[in-house]
Amino acid sequence: EAQVTQNPRYLITVTGKKLTVTCSQNMNHEYMSWYRQDPGLGLRQIYYSMNVEVTDKGDVPEGYKVSRKEKRNFPLILESPSPNQTSLYFCASKKLAGFTGELFFGEGSRLTVL
Amino acid sequence: GESVGLHLPTLSVQEGDNSIINCAYSNSASDYFIWYKQESGKGPQFIIDIRSNMDKRQGQRVTVLLNKTVKHLSLQIAATQPGDSAVYFCAENIPNTGNQFYFGTGTSLTVIP
Repeated sequence: EAQVTQNPRYLITVTGKKLTVTCSQNMNHEYMSWYRQDPGLGLRQIYYSMNVEVTDKGDVPEGYKVSRKEKRNFPLILESPSPNQTSLYFCASKKLAGFTGELFFGEGSRLTVL
Repeated sequence: GESVGLHLPTLSVQEGDNSIINCAYSNSASDYFIWYKQESGKGPQFIIDIRSNMDKRQGQRVTVLLNKTVKHLSLQIAATQPGDSAVYFCAENIPNTGNQFYFGTGTSLTVIP
């Protein structure tokens, strides 16, 4: 089944404790992206990647890192999480890096930073 | 019924009625738009897209209308079903912003059986 898989789905952590949210897609998609979703603000893009070893900042990259060493994986790293990073995170992918095309989303990872 | 979707307004419709969900987008240069459906506890799901050189596009039970003059997008769902209950939001692509999509906050649709 074609899908985008995120782990963990739920996480409660404390300020400053490094964490990684993994994202994997099995559709051989070139483009992958991370978003955060907060009430009243909609989805905001954190980072995106147009292909292996190519990553770029989105609208809200501060406090996050990403890497794209393999086509299928695009982990989101919070080196020193803070409470303002409490949010619902979505990974998404699409076939090609051009602006058109359907974005496939994962099920989301709800992160709480105490 | 219809509503404007920028601050998560709600829309309730009777099963079998048509629904109209509206979206005011921000940038007159936006050239590509997508409607997404997000059910509770799930990730957004693609419904339909439209390029800026079109005014209308139809899918299965859904129609998207684009009015570039007033920067307005609408999603029409025909014969709304309980399974259509979800949050719906539009996304716009602004050229030369590096593959970024800008998402609205959505409209919550509730279908009354």
